Parts: sequence; structure tokens; C-alpha cells
Amino acid sequence: AQKVTQAQTEISVVEKEDVTLDCVYETRDTTYYLFWYKQPPSGELVFLIRRNSFDEQNEISGRYSWNFQKSTSSFNFTITASQVVDSAVYFCALSERNTGKLIFGQGTTLQVKP
Amino acid sequence: EAQVTQNPRYLITVTGKKLTVTCSQNMNHEYMSWYRQDPGLGLRQIYYSMNVEVTDKGDVPEGYKVSRKEKRNFPLILESPSPNQTSLYFCASSLYSGGNSYNEQFFGPGTRLTVL
Repeated sequence: AQKVTQAQTEISVVEKEDVTLDCVYETRDTTYYLFWYKQPPSGELVFLIRRNSFDEQNEISGRYSWNFQKSTSSFNFTITASQVVDSAVYFCALSERNTGKLIFGQGTTLQVKP
Repeated sequence: EAQVTQNPRYLITVTGKKLTVTCSQNMNHEYMSWYRQDPGLGLRQIYYSMNVEVTDKGDVPEGYKVSRKEKRNFPLILESPSPNQTSLYFCASSLYSGGNSYNEQFFGPGTRLTVL
């Protein structure tokens, strides 16, 4: 069965600290896609990144970076120099073969304090 | 502006009163989907559609109907709402390249439904 685990339920940091959100996934597919979404307090779901299983290069976008390691089935997300506006729930997700359904982790609530 | 819109954003209704939540996208996406989000249960797919006139059940389809008569619209219909359908609902859309290549899904703003 396919599954996404975000073991960290809540994380609290002080502004400017770096923080890493963990994501571990399970799948038997050889080709698959992983995603990160952000859900700010306003409630919408904002797409952050998509990664396919063939591309293990780390990705950096501004203060955000992602580390994909197939050997450990992990797709971790790091925010450098966190800001109050980063406070949100972050979801890791895996797309299901044949249906495109997103299988979401339970989410990690990040609180960045000033 | 490329977007997914949902209406209404908030709705309070009573048990048994049929309702429709509309969803529309202006990105010419083939794939559309509905999810519900509940505390402790997370985000779960209700229905999805690979293209016009093609719909299929997700994980929690009971009590819901959908239709896909046009590419841009994917309404969610609750024929006889019950309190256990109180939830936050999201519509999403994405390009579908065929096979098992799945692009990112873009989500609407959400519809918060309360069934009394």
C-alpha cells in the first residue's frame, strides 16, 4: 500500500532559524511523483514543488530547498532563515499510479515566532 | 489569472437538502478532482475525472455525485447531505500528460460546509 508519513506533528521555531520538515513515503511503483503543499492559516492549498522518482537532484528555490533520497524513501523540505509568513501546515504527498490521486501525509504544523 | 474557483466558499445547510458545490478552472486542464479535509483524517479524494465525461470514485465517494460535461467544470453534488459530510472541500485540477505522468494539482480556495 502507498503511504506518506510526516512524523513531526508540530514544530515551533524562532524567526531566522532553519527548519527541516521530514517526509517518508512507501510505494511499490518504480515511477512516481512527490509533492509538497503549503496550507496557510487562510486555508488554501498552495503547490510548492513536484519531483519525479528519476530525478534525485536537490532543488533550491529561494529560502526553500528539498532533499530527495530514494535510498531512504525520503523527501525532506528545509526552510532557511524562517520567517513568520512561513507559519502554515505543510503537506507532503505522493501521486497514485493509474488514478493520479494525491496521497497526503498528515501534515506538519510549523509555527515561526518573531 | 490562472485559477480554480469554487462556490460557495461557506455554506450552512440542513440534513437532506440537496446542494451543489461548483468548481471551475480556466487552465484547460484535463484532470479534475475533489478532496475533503477533516481533522484527524487528513485529505481524502472523493471523486476524480481524467477528462470530459470520464469520472471515477476516489476513496470516499459515498453520498456524493459528480459530473464532467465540460472540460472546465466539475461540480460536486450532495443529493441528501448528512452531518458526517460536514467538512472542508477542495477542488483541484492539473494537466494530464497520459500514462502515469501526473502533474501538480492546483487547488481551489476551499468550501467549508456545515450540515446541521
